[in-house]
Amino acid sequence: DAKTTQPPSMDCAEGRAANLPCNHSTISGNEYVYWYRQIHSQGPQYIIHGLKNNETNEMASLIITEDRKSSTLILPHATLRDTAVYYCIVRVRESGGGADGLTFGKGTHLIIQP
Amino acid sequence: DSGVTQTPKHLITATGQRVTLRCSPRSGDLSVYWYQQSLDQGLQFLIQYYNGEERAKGNILERFSAQQFPDLHSELNLSSLELGDSALYFCASSVAGSETQYFGPGTRLLVL
Repeated sequence: DAKTTQPPSMDCAEGRAANLPCNHSTISGNEYVYWYRQIHSQGPQYIIHGLKNNETNEMASLIITEDRKSSTLILPHATLRDTAVYYCIVRVRESGGGADGLTFGKGTHLIIQP
Repeated sequence: DSGVTQTPKHLITATGQRVTLRCSPRSGDLSVYWYQQSLDQGLQFLIQYYNGEERAKGNILERFSAQQFPDLHSELNLSSLELGDSALYFCASSVAGSETQYFGPGTRLLVL
């Protein structure tokens, strides 16, 4: 899996958009970008994933640059409950017998300020 | 609620002992994964089972083993426990062919 680089921590005001960057300059053509988050000591939670097009779901938006070397996770209206560690993971999409284990880095600790 | 359940929530035991952690995947998911999260090592993948068979191994110690039963629930067995095995242990499941993994609430193991 390609290596990712994320800032260790970020602050964001409640109600504002939180933009979390991730660099993955060695990403391969068949690797997807995934985002998970972990709220204090809870199990990690899947947020969103994408290959090259921008993606949006009920939780967040994912913006991937045209060269695919970086991406940004956007939480449009951050709330206090969004305080968590956010992990950017780049991996090949598996088929057939399910996916291999995820490789988690240190992630970004996002703190939403009231 | 991810639909993945883990028991027990907390476990306190002594060095040298053996414990078993249990995981029930989401209904219909064939793959089960185990992860360990300690303060110094972060979240690490241990092992994966798919439809009853071992499919991938990560940083799992030889003292640890796992299995997946016909009803697809899984157990992680930790033996000859050491202080350093104290950690959160997460189970995750996924639908075959899907890379999205859904995590359980974890089991917090404390070895004294």
